[in-house]
Amino acid sequence: AQKVTQAQTEISVVEKEDVTLDCVYETRDTTYYLFWYKQPPSGELVFLIRRNSFDEQNEISGRYSWNFQKSTSSFNFTITASQVVDSAVYFCALSSRSNYQLIWGAGTKLIIKP
Amino acid sequence: SAVISQKPSRDICQRGTSLTIQCQVDSQVTMMFWYRQQPGQSLTLIATANQGSEATYESGFVIDKFPISRPNLTFSTLTVSNMSPEDSSIYLCSVISANTDTQYFGPGTRLTVL
Repeated sequence: AQKVTQAQTEISVVEKEDVTLDCVYETRDTTYYLFWYKQPPSGELVFLIRRNSFDEQNEISGRYSWNFQKSTSSFNFTITASQVVDSAVYFCALSSRSNYQLIWGAGTKLIIKP
Repeated sequence: SAVISQKPSRDICQRGTSLTIQCQVDSQVTMMFWYRQQPGQSLTLIATANQGSEATYESGFVIDKFPISRPNLTFSTLTVSNMSPEDSSIYLCSVISANTDTQYFGPGTRLTVL
């Protein structure tokens, strides 16, 4: 069975601090995708990143970075020098490459205080 | 990525009535999905909207309650029928963008049932 666990329900930090959101997944598929989405208070879901299971390179995009480790089935997301606009709920998700259905984590609510 | 719009963006409805939500995409897409997000929860897939045939519903969702139409490759509707307060949620449509294997989401419809 496939499963995504985001153990951190809510994280609160002060602006400019670095913060890491954890994501652990379970799957029996040998090929799969991992995703992160951001949901600000307005409600829309914003796609942040997709990672193929065969590509374990870490990725950096501005203040955002992602650490994919197959050995620990983790796909963690770090925001460096956090800003108030980063406040949102962040979802990690998993899909097989055969049917594209997303298995969602419960989400982590990130609060950045000024 | 595809540009997705949804109408209405929000609505307040009376118990027992029905609401139809529209999802329009700016390009032809093969795969289109409808999700429900109850307050404070993660996303739950309602169904896959199939062009020219009946939608494929997930466990716990039935056509009588959530009829879906998909007359072409750029448009779909979801109807929430005989509403009760438990149907108060955000309803989102999503599409798989060609050649990216990534789901992109519409802005969502925030439904409140009194």
